[in-house]
Amino acid sequence: DAMVIQNPRYQVTQFGKPVTLSCSQTLNHNVMYWYQQKSSQAPKLLFHYYDKDFNNEADTPDNFQSRRPNTSFCFLDIRSPGLGDAAMYLCATSRDIGQTFFGAGTRLSVL
Amino acid sequence: SQELEQSPQSLIVQEGKNLTINCTSSKTLYGLYWYKQKYGEGLIFLMMLQKGGEEKSHEKITAKLDEKKQQSSLHITASQPSHAGIYLCGADIPHSGYALNFGKGTSLLVTP
Repeated sequence: DAMVIQNPRYQVTQFGKPVTLSCSQTLNHNVMYWYQQKSSQAPKLLFHYYDKDFNNEADTPDNFQSRRPNTSFCFLDIRSPGLGDAAMYLCATSRDIGQTFFGAGTRLSVL
Repeated sequence: SQELEQSPQSLIVQEGKNLTINCTSSKTLYGLYWYKQKYGEGLIFLMMLQKGGEEKSHEKITAKLDEKKQQSSLHITASQPSHAGIYLCGADIPHSGYALNFGKGTSLLVTP
């Protein structure tokens, strides 16, 4: 029944070692988002795809990249993770305005 | 940019008590969303409010958007341990594909 699926749920990486987080959806929504949520803070939008159009938030570090090979899948690539990148990463989808559906998140630890 | 301030930051209530969480925006709200987040998990959609004065209820949770559309409240009646979690309000970010800007959340603990 899960509609937005994030893998893995927990990811441990080493400082500077590239890591990829994945997200898939069964809702056929045209918009997909990646949010970063640090402990006790609000989720912060990193970027979103509107169909195939990639939109980066102005303050998203260059270290973060994303790919959306098709409607169902979206990936978050962190090229050189730093200690400050340890956080929960949330993938979400929506069909234009209306309810946004979130995945369960991937908790990233950087050692 | 729009800022959402939630109050209180945290709340501990006894089971069966009523409680209210507030969300105040620095700008007019055109779409206000309430989500619940269990610790370490994703966000679960509760309600969406769009019109000033709108009120919606689901089970024991009621949300309102005030007439001036800069404040929303979430009210839980007869709280239960299952209501525990973090409640987040979110508002549409203009020109960001309907992405949401969130408040920092209100942490709710319900004690027996």
